[in-house]
Parts: sequence; C-alpha cells; structure tokens
Amino acid sequence: ILNVEQSPQSLHVQEGDSTNFTCSFPSSNFYALHWYRWETAKSPEALFVMTLNGDEKKKGRISATLNTKEGYSYLYIKGSQPEDSATYLCAFYQGGKLIFGQGTELSVKP
Amino acid sequence: ETGVTQTPRHLVMGMTNKKSLKCEQHLGHNAMYWYKQSAKKPLELMFVYSLEERVENNSVPSRFSPECPNSSHLFLHLHTLQPEDSALYLCASSQDSRAGYGYTFGSGTRLTVV
Repeated sequence: ILNVEQSPQSLHVQEGDSTNFTCSFPSSNFYALHWYRWETAKSPEALFVMTLNGDEKKKGRISATLNTKEGYSYLYIKGSQPEDSATYLCAFYQGGKLIFGQGTELSVKP
Repeated sequence: ETGVTQTPRHLVMGMTNKKSLKCEQHLGHNAMYWYKQSAKKPLELMFVYSLEERVENNSVPSRFSPECPNSSHLFLHLHTLQPEDSALYLCASSQDSRAGYGYTFGSGTRLTVV
C-alpha cells in the first residue's frame, strides 16, 4: 500500500508568520511529487511539480524543497497572509497515477 | 475558471436513479481523470483516460461507469448508487499522463445519494 503522509493536519498562524509543512512518501521508484493549493469552494490549483532530488521551487512567497532519497518534501510560506488560507495537498506519482495525501489545512488570522 | 468545467455542481439522486456527471476541457490535454473525495479522506483516484483509452480502473464498483468519447470530454455514469457514494467528485486533466505534468482540476460535483 502506497502511503503519502502530510503533517501537520491543520495549522493556525497569525498574519506575517512564516510556516512550513511536510509531505512524506516512499523513497523507492520516485518519479514526481506534486503540490496543490485548494481553497474552499474552488478547484485544487497546481503549485509545483518536482522531479529531481534536491529540487527547490519558488512561486512568490511559497517555496518547496524535495529529498527523494529520504522521501520527504517541505512546503514553506513566508509571511503568511489571510489569502494563503487553504488546504495544501501533496501527491506522489507512481504507476501512471497521482496518490494524494490528506492535506494540511492552513488558517491565517489577520 | 480553470479551463476544466464540471456539471452539474450539485446533484441529489435516489438509489434507483441513473445520472451522469460531465467534465469538459479545452486545454488540449490528452489525459483526464476522475477523483472522489469523501469526508476526511484523501482524494481517491477512480479512473484515468489517456488519449481516450482507459488506462486505470482503481477497483471502482461497476455502479460507476466512465466514458471518454473524445479527448475533451469525460463522463461518469451513475446507477443504483449507495448513500456511502455521497462525496465530491472531481475531474482533472493534464497534458500527458506521465509524471512531470501538473493536473488542472474542475470545481467538482457535490453528489448526495438519498
């Protein structure tokens, strides 16, 4: 059984705080790791697709790192804003399909 | 609007009904997917179509029947569903079903089976 684990399940921070979450995945047969952002009542939106060990990607205040040898990826948000409130999903690609984690629900209070 | 359109947004159906969910994309993508999200569970892959051929059927009960008549349209036909099938059904597409391509999701259909 292929498990993709995300932690923490939920996070409450104040506006301006920086935060990070973790995605753990099997370290064997790695192909790709995806991050998505899912706001309530909207569609999940692709943030990053990461394919190489040591990859670091950045989009505005959000960045992600990848360690395929130990099977984890971190997502960082610098200076959180209320509009960053959403569920952040990671997904591991294997065998032609994406396997999603349960997500980290982020709430940023003004 | 993401470029992937799902209809209807909400659906309530009885256990003896037959209904269909529709997904449409005009992004030029070659792969389309159905995912299910039940409460407090991760997104669960149901079906994968690549170049209009079904390449994955993730042990989904036969009361769910997918159809992909062309690369822009994907349907999920529903019949004799159970209350536990109530969930959010998401459609997604990607340029290719291989690893390096991100998915574009629709807004989903919220299905309630009564």
